[in-house]
Amino acid sequence: AQSVAQPEDQVNVAEGNPLTVKCTYSVSGNPYLFWYVQYPNRGLQFLLKYITGDNLVKGSYGFEAEFNKSQTSFHLKKPSALVSDSALYFCAVRGARGFQKLVFGTGTRLLVSP
Amino acid sequence: DAGVIQSPRHEVTEMGQEVTLRCKPISGHDYLFWYRQTMMRGLELLIYFNNNVPIDDSGMPEDRFSAKMPNASFSTLKIQPSEPRDSAVYFCASSLDGRGRNKPQHFGDGTRLSIL
Repeated sequence: AQSVAQPEDQVNVAEGNPLTVKCTYSVSGNPYLFWYVQYPNRGLQFLLKYITGDNLVKGSYGFEAEFNKSQTSFHLKKPSALVSDSALYFCAVRGARGFQKLVFGTGTRLLVSP
Repeated sequence: DAGVIQSPRHEVTEMGQEVTLRCKPISGHDYLFWYRQTMMRGLELLIYFNNNVPIDDSGMPEDRFSAKMPNASFSTLKIQPSEPRDSAVYFCASSLDGRGRNKPQHFGDGTRLSIL
């Protein structure tokens, strides 16, 4: 079955420093991977996706993600964190049954301190 | 450009009562999803529709839960009778089946449900 794992419940980083939020995946077939962000009292917002092609995917708000097939990872990165980036981040993978079904990770809370 | 609209945003009711959550997807989208989010279980997919037809309801926890999509612009999630363990934030999301079938899902802001 398709699955993703987010090993960190929380990531703390100082404003201006680079950030990384980790995600590993397990799939049968080609991986279709996504990152979403959730701000307090809001729904999830799409950040970026990997389908095929370049291993470095650029998305919204200056975020990017690096796909690594050998390590089955899809880590979210940003060169310089902002306090406003503090939120809950979810990694997701397309489910095996039906292309539209997403399987989400447990989420990682990012806290950026001033 | 209106996003996914959910109502009500908050619902507080007593156990045993019927609860109806509503969702209006983005116009033109042909997939609709209902999720539940709790601290204990995280984000769970309950059911999803394609062109108003339920495709996968394996995530619906019990017969007390039912979902309908009578037309392309409206869906309901009903809980009858409600129980305190149903307290959660319920999200609706919609997406468009593009050529690559990799279009992102767009989420509403959720309904925070509290069953007393």
